[in-house]
Amino acid sequence: KQEVTQIPAALSVPEGENLVLNCSFTDSAIYNLQWFRQDPGKGLTSLLLIQSSQREQTSGRLNASLDKSSGRSTLYIAASQPGDSATYLCAVIGTGNQFYFGTGTSLTVIP
Amino acid sequence: NAGVMQNPRHLVRRRGQEARLRCSPMKGHSHVYWYRQLPEEGLKFMVYLQKENIIDESGMPKERFSAEFPKEGPSILRIQQVVRGDSAAYFCASSPASHSDTQYFGPGTRLTVL
Repeated sequence: KQEVTQIPAALSVPEGENLVLNCSFTDSAIYNLQWFRQDPGKGLTSLLLIQSSQREQTSGRLNASLDKSSGRSTLYIAASQPGDSATYLCAVIGTGNQFYFGTGTSLTVIP
Repeated sequence: NAGVMQNPRHLVRRRGQEARLRCSPMKGHSHVYWYRQLPEEGLKFMVYLQKENIIDESGMPKERFSAEFPKEGPSILRIQQVVRGDSAAYFCASSPASHSDTQYFGPGTRLTVL
């Protein structure tokens, strides 16, 4: 059974810093991996989708990488802003089209 | 193009009542997924549906829970005889095709069972 772990569980950084969020998964037989952000009381916002054949995806200040063989993905956020404060979720899409979510990293960017 | 819509946004039920959660996918999307987020836990997959078909319900509790996605109208997640442990946020997502496409999530329905 796929297990997804995110480290750290919580992170607090001053505005302007670059940061890395980590996601690891136990079964490398995946189709895709997707990063989301969740704001308090809100739904999920998709940030980046990485196909299993890809190594990374970029969108603005965000860059996500995928290393299937080692079961790892990272989300890099450049020049962090207070508006980036949210919970970031990593989801692995398995062979049965199931999404397996990590428990998230709660990010606080201090002005 | 409106996003995924879920209603109601908040639902309060007493133990033993039925809860019906509705999800309207994005226009052109024929795949719907339901997830549950329990307090202090991550999102858990429940069920994957296409129009008139349940594709994968491996995450659904065996009793009291059912889901449908009729030919016309929204997808419905039904919880019969609710218990306090059913209190959670229920999210719906849709995609145009299969898991090769990004899933777009609705704002969720927060169910509180008194």
